[in-house]
Amino acid sequence: QKEVEQNSGPLSVPEGAIASLNCTYSDRVSQSFFWYRQYSGKSPELIMSIYSNGDKEDGRFTAQLNKASQYVSLLIRDSQPSDSATYLCAVNKAGGGNKLTFGTGTQLKVEL
Amino acid sequence: DVKVTQSSRYLVKRTGEKVFLECVQDMDHENMFWYRQDPGLGLRLIYFSYDVKMKEKGDIPEGYSVSREKKERFSLILESASTNQTSMYLCASSHKSRDRDEQFFGPGTRLTVL
Repeated sequence: QKEVEQNSGPLSVPEGAIASLNCTYSDRVSQSFFWYRQYSGKSPELIMSIYSNGDKEDGRFTAQLNKASQYVSLLIRDSQPSDSATYLCAVNKAGGGNKLTFGTGTQLKVEL
Repeated sequence: DVKVTQSSRYLVKRTGEKVFLECVQDMDHENMFWYRQDPGLGLRLIYFSYDVKMKEKGDIPEGYSVSREKKERFSLILESASTNQTSMYLCASSHKSRDRDEQFFGPGTRLTVL
């Protein structure tokens, strides 16, 4: 089992819809969770961090964390074509120092 | 804003050459990281450093070495470049504290080894 798993996609949503991206992780003691956006040919850009169970909202983005189910998700409301990118989930586990384990990413396509 | 810079965006080298990739961050971060990213394999950690002159191997250190002589600078060295080291190389940095440990990435260096 991979440490951090994401569906590779592509996930296609129409413009204006809600995009829902999911990530599961295997280590129960994981402490910190991150979502990065990566455009083709560019480096990952941090868009959300979440440390405790529940929801965290920032503009059109909402991160949701459920440690009991070992599940973290990212919701993008009012999706725009500029949101088309690959979204990487990353997890920092306790005892691992500050190293992150990355999923392989979900490709999101927002269609006009 | 956090700024992480890398010395080159694109680099073409020949097999057997020694290659230096430089990374500089301006936010006084304790931690610095080198990754490579390949299609289908995701981001893989090569080396990381928690402090000046300190280094630890990541998941794929073979064929690479690093140097951290100053807090703001972390260098990745390919001692003898090979074609299987053609990849996108990404540098990142972060604070040491548990609740501020987001990693911030530089723009990346796309290295081609011929």
